Amino acid sequence: GQNIDQPTEMTATEGAIVQINCTYQTSGFNGLFWYQQHAGEAPTFLSYNVLDGLEEKGRFSSFLSRSKGYSYLLLKELQMKDSASYLCAVRDSNYQLIWGAGTKLIIKP
Amino acid sequence: EPEVTQTPSHQVTQMGQEVILRCVPISNHLYFYWYRQILGQKVEFLVSFYNNEISEKSEIFDDQFSVERPDGSNFTLKIRSTKLEDSAMYFCASSDLAGQETQYFGPGTRLLVL
Repeated sequence: GQNIDQPTEMTATEGAIVQINCTYQTSGFNGLFWYQQHAGEAPTFLSYNVLDGLEEKGRFSSFLSRSKGYSYLLLKELQMKDSASYLCAVRDSNYQLIWGAGTKLIIKP
Repeated sequence: EPEVTQTPSHQVTQMGQEVILRCVPISNHLYFYWYRQILGQKVEFLVSFYNNEISEKSEIFDDQFSVERPDGSNFTLKIRSTKLEDSAMYFCASSDLAGQETQYFGPGTRLLVL
């Protein structure tokens, strides 16, 4: 079966750095996405990785290792508005997005 | 900045009724998707649509569901004979190229079946 695992919840302090991990087992791989979702709102795109390595976008970076079936999202200089759920999603061989359950990130002052 | 829009934002219906959820994808996008998210659960893929036909669908997308692109801008999801368990947030998304581009999500329609 297809499976995406990420921690249910994490807590971090404003101004700090946090790393959210994602491991996946899917039928085929055509890219991994990270989305941010605030409660009651739609997911918004953060990053896309299809090759191994680190992609940096401002305060957010995402890393991929295809051989390990592993990705992480790194958030730097945390702000209170970063409190949200972070969803890892993998596009499989049918180009369907398979979603993780999301990691709820709580930022404390 | 172009965005995906969805109407209505909220829909309350009686069990057994039919509902139509509407979406206007980003105008130059070619691929359209419907997802649902039951409260507190993960996002689930329902269906993808390209070139006026379904390209992929999940096990959830059974005969109760149908999609249509009735004109050049709208993309609809019809749910027939709604059940209590259909209560969820329904998101429409669109993308330019399925292989490369990300999917941009609309704000969602919250469906409540009573």
